[in-house]
Amino acid sequence: GAVVSQHPSRVICKSGTSVKIECRSLDFQATTMFWYRQFPKQSLMLMATSNEGSKATYEQGVEKDKFLINHASLTLSTLTVTSAHPEDSSFYICSAPGLLNTEAFFGQGTRLTVV
Amino acid sequence: ELKVEQNPLFLSMQEGKNYTIYCNYSTTSDRLYWYRQDPGKSLESLFVLLSNGAVKQEGRLMASLDTKARLSTLHITAAVHDLSATYFCAVAPNQGGKLIFGQGTELSVKP
Repeated sequence: GAVVSQHPSRVICKSGTSVKIECRSLDFQATTMFWYRQFPKQSLMLMATSNEGSKATYEQGVEKDKFLINHASLTLSTLTVTSAHPEDSSFYICSAPGLLNTEAFFGQGTRLTVV
Repeated sequence: ELKVEQNPLFLSMQEGKNYTIYCNYSTTSDRLYWYRQDPGKSLESLFVLLSNGAVKQEGRLMASLDTKARLSTLHITAAVHDLSATYFCAVAPNQGGKLIFGQGTELSVKP
């Protein structure tokens, strides 16, 4: 099946620094990528939708200036957490829809710890 | 706004027993997904249910969808320890591909 490769799997950064997370669709073109966040013992919450060649759409309550999303090609979407703070520590997961949007392919997830 | 509710949220089972996890959603949707998540890992796709009355089975897990009742069930038969994980249902609110997740059901199967 289709594969979405997400890197890094784990990252620890200092408060105030920025972190970039990459998601690549390896054997298909992903015109859309969904970014989810999952706090410990909680469900996945959609943060934003990135579309190749256009601006991302953010869910209510998600700061677009803090979570920068770029979808510069049909195989790569990036999420940059800017000026990270400890409360941004979470598990971030990307997902790309398959053909006809009937399937969703998830990346391996990125565990972000801000110290 | 689409809401997805699972119950129970926590389930402790003995090996060999059967149980059902329920997933209710608030607005019309024709796509429902079940995922498994192990600690520290991403999601593993279990089932995609695309029509009313759909039933799918894989090993000890069986999922069904009733779009009229806005209800999906994940039935576990003769549970084994390896099934211990968190199970999520998710619903697609439109054709765009984004998913709204239930709270998750943390399943623990004990010998």
